[in-house]
This record gives sequence, structure tokens and C-alpha cells, in this order.
Amino acid sequence: GQQVQQSPASLVLQEGENAELQCNFSSTATRLQWFYQHPGGRLVSLFYNPSGTKHTGRLTSTTVTNERRSSLHISSSQTTDSGTYFCANYGNEKITFGAGTKLTIKP
Amino acid sequence: ETAVFQTPNYHVTQVGNEVSFNCKQTLGHDTMYWYKQDSKKLLKIMFSYNNKQLIVNETVPRRFSPQSSDKAHLNLRIKSVEPEDSAVYLCASSYGRGEVFFGKGTRLTVV
Repeated sequence: GQQVQQSPASLVLQEGENAELQCNFSSTATRLQWFYQHPGGRLVSLFYNPSGTKHTGRLTSTTVTNERRSSLHISSSQTTDSGTYFCANYGNEKITFGAGTKLTIKP
Repeated sequence: ETAVFQTPNYHVTQVGNEVSFNCKQTLGHDTMYWYKQDSKKLLKIMFSYNNKQLIVNETVPRRFSPQSSDKAHLNLRIKSVEPEDSAVYLCASSYGRGEVFFGKGTRLTVV
């Protein structure tokens, strides 16, 4: 079945630093989506990005389809960015999630 | 703004009881999903429906059964809950293979 690998598993940064989250997937049927889940909260879609680069505020997502990878960049991180970030990809009629990256931003 | 609505938010029940969770989406989507998120935050697909038709049925215990009355509703029933069923159950929807939107989840605790 499809595999979705995220790295790092956890990341601790000081406020103001940039964060880089990686996602690698095995399926070529790309429907790549990045989600954010704050503690106790629901999954919020950050980007639906099957290919190319998308920006919103301090967030940038880049998906390179033929290399089966995607990244999420957070610039000038803030304490409110703390939480778990998931990437997910589509294949075999279902969406498979990575294990997530737990991001902690210290003040 | 939430467009995928789940009820209840929380539910505590005893082993062996039956529970039902409701999910409704107001986005006009044709595909709905149930996911289970365990204590390690791993997300696993359970079921997927497209226009009321079951298209994904992962290997879940038979005590779990989805119910879809129309493409805007997808409920989940669990007969005779077990302690390992304690988790957060997340409902989601999409239009075909497009962007997926999630509800807030239902946290089930089995005591």
C-alpha cells in the first residue's frame, strides 16, 4: 500500500526561527495535502498542493511530484505555530496520512 | 468556519455498549470518510463513501458499521465497544479526489 513518511518526528525551535517539515510518499497519484492539528483540536487544512509551490502568510508548501516529496516551510515561527503537522496523499481510493511532525516553538 | 459537523464531541461509555456518531457536511461534497486517531495521533482510514456507496472498507472489526442516508451524512455505529476503541473519530469530506475537510472529531472513552 501507499507509504507517507514525515520528518522530523519532532522539532523544537526558538520563536523567530524558521521550520522546515518534510514529507515523502510512495504513490504517484498525488493529491498532497498539509494539515495542522493543535493540541485537542481538529485537523485544519493548510495547503492542498498536488504540485508546485503555494504560499499563505508565513507558510510555504512545495511539492515536487516526480520526486515524490513535499515540504512545508514556516518562516519566523511563533509560539502559536506549536502543534502537530500532517501530510497526506491519495492513492487506492483513500487518503493516507504520515505520522506527523510535532512542532514546539519556545518563547 | 466548520462545514463538517460531528456529534457528539465526547462520549464516555462502558465496555459492551453500543454507540453511534453522527456526521454531516454542508459543502456539497460527494465523498465522506471516517478516520480513527489513536493515542499516538496516528490517523487510519476506516471507511469511505462516494455518493452513498461504500468504496473503502479497511480491515476494521465487524462491530464497526458505517451508515449513509445521503451523500451529506455518514454516521458510524459501534456495537459492543471494546477498550481499544477509545480514540478520536474524525469525519471528513471531499469533492471527488479534491481537498479534504475534517470535522472537530468525537472523542470516545471506553471504561
